Amino acid sequence: AQKVTQAQTEISVVEKEDVTLDCVYETRDTTYYLFWYKQPPSGELVFLIRRNSFDEQNEISGRYSWNFQKSTSSFNFTITASQVVDSAVYFCALSNLRTGTASKLTFGTGTRLQVTL
Amino acid sequence: DTEVTQTPKHLVMGMTNKKSLKCEQHMGHRAMYWYKQKAKKPPELMFVYSYEKLSINESVPSRFSPECPNSSLLNLHLHALQPEDSALYLCASSQLSGGALETQYFGPGTRLLVL
Repeated sequence: AQKVTQAQTEISVVEKEDVTLDCVYETRDTTYYLFWYKQPPSGELVFLIRRNSFDEQNEISGRYSWNFQKSTSSFNFTITASQVVDSAVYFCALSNLRTGTASKLTFGTGTRLQVTL
Repeated sequence: DTEVTQTPKHLVMGMTNKKSLKCEQHMGHRAMYWYKQKAKKPPELMFVYSYEKLSINESVPSRFSPECPNSSLLNLHLHALQPEDSALYLCASSQLSGGALETQYFGPGTRLLVL
């Protein structure tokens, strides 16, 4: 069975603060993908990043960075210098891929981030 | 272009009505998905189509009927829904090959209210 845990239900920060969203996952598969999606109030789930289980390199994209650690089964997401537009619900998700079949995503419960002025 | 479109954006229907939700993608993806999302919950998978054939049905009640007329279109036919079916319905699509191509891209969703 797969499981994704996002222990932080809601986080409130003031603009320009850094914030880290935690994600811990469980899977028995050796090959898997991890994702982060952003869901603003409009409702659309926006893809942010995909990481495969063989690549533990951290990644930085602008103000966003991701820290993947297999040893602790964590895939944390940091926003540097947060902005009001970052306010959204962020979902971490896990997918155990098998070639030729559609992937099923296991979502965490989401972390609601509120950035205020 | 990573766009998935959904119509309508909002839908209000009575329990005796028949309506359809539509989803379209032009990314050449061969897998399409329907999700249901209740407020303050993560999306829940309903159906998956792979190569225009239903490959996964997550024990969804028969009042929801999916249809995939071609590789770019996905419909969800609704009939005799219950008020508890009110939710955000999300469509997604993805490539159907191994490796790093199976990211699911989501549409903006249809907010459904059943009265």
